[in-house]
Amino acid sequence: AQSVAQPEDQVNVAEGNPLTVKCTYSVSGNPYLFWYVQYPNRGLQFLLKYITGDNLVKGSYGFEAEFNKSQTSFHLKKPSALVSDSALYFCAVRDQTGANNLFFGTGTRLTVIP
Amino acid sequence: GAGVSQSPSNKVTEKGKDVELRCDPISGHTALYWYRQSLGQGLEFLIYFQGNSAPDKSGLPSDRFSAERTGGSVSTLTIQRTQQEDSAVYLCASSLAAQGAQHFGDGTRLSIL
Repeated sequence: AQSVAQPEDQVNVAEGNPLTVKCTYSVSGNPYLFWYVQYPNRGLQFLLKYITGDNLVKGSYGFEAEFNKSQTSFHLKKPSALVSDSALYFCAVRDQTGANNLFFGTGTRLTVIP
Repeated sequence: GAGVSQSPSNKVTEKGKDVELRCDPISGHTALYWYRQSLGQGLEFLIYFQGNSAPDKSGLPSDRFSAERTGGSVSTLTIQRTQQEDSAVYLCASSLAAQGAQHFGDGTRLSIL
């Protein structure tokens, strides 16, 4: 069975500092991993995905994520946080056994402090 | 439109009533998904449509929930005899192909009184 864990419910970071939002996964076989961001009263916006290839994946709004197979992690990172990055972030892994649906983590609320 | 469109954006109804939620996916996207986002439950998969194949209904929580997709485009999610635990945000997503990135609508916020 596939699953995703986001160990931190809340992450606070000062504006201009680097940010990391953690994600670990459990799959059988090769993982298809995703990060989404959700702003208040909005749906989820796709940030980036890892399917295969380079372990460092670059995505929208200056975000990137590093796939680490040995640690089964896919942490989201950004070198310099903006106040507008404050939102709810979800890590997800794709079901590879049937429906191609996504299994989501419980989300991490990022607050960037001015 | 450019993105996934869902209607209504908000729905308040009494317990026991039936509701219909609509999703209009991105044009040309063959895959369509329904998810439910509840407080304390996170995001859970409900149902998946891919082209003309039979839908995968494995995530539907009870037989009160059903969905259809007409003409490979618009989808409706129907909840019969609504219960208070059905209160949640219902999100629809579509993707160009089964393995593509999923693009989400803004959801329908359903409140059961």
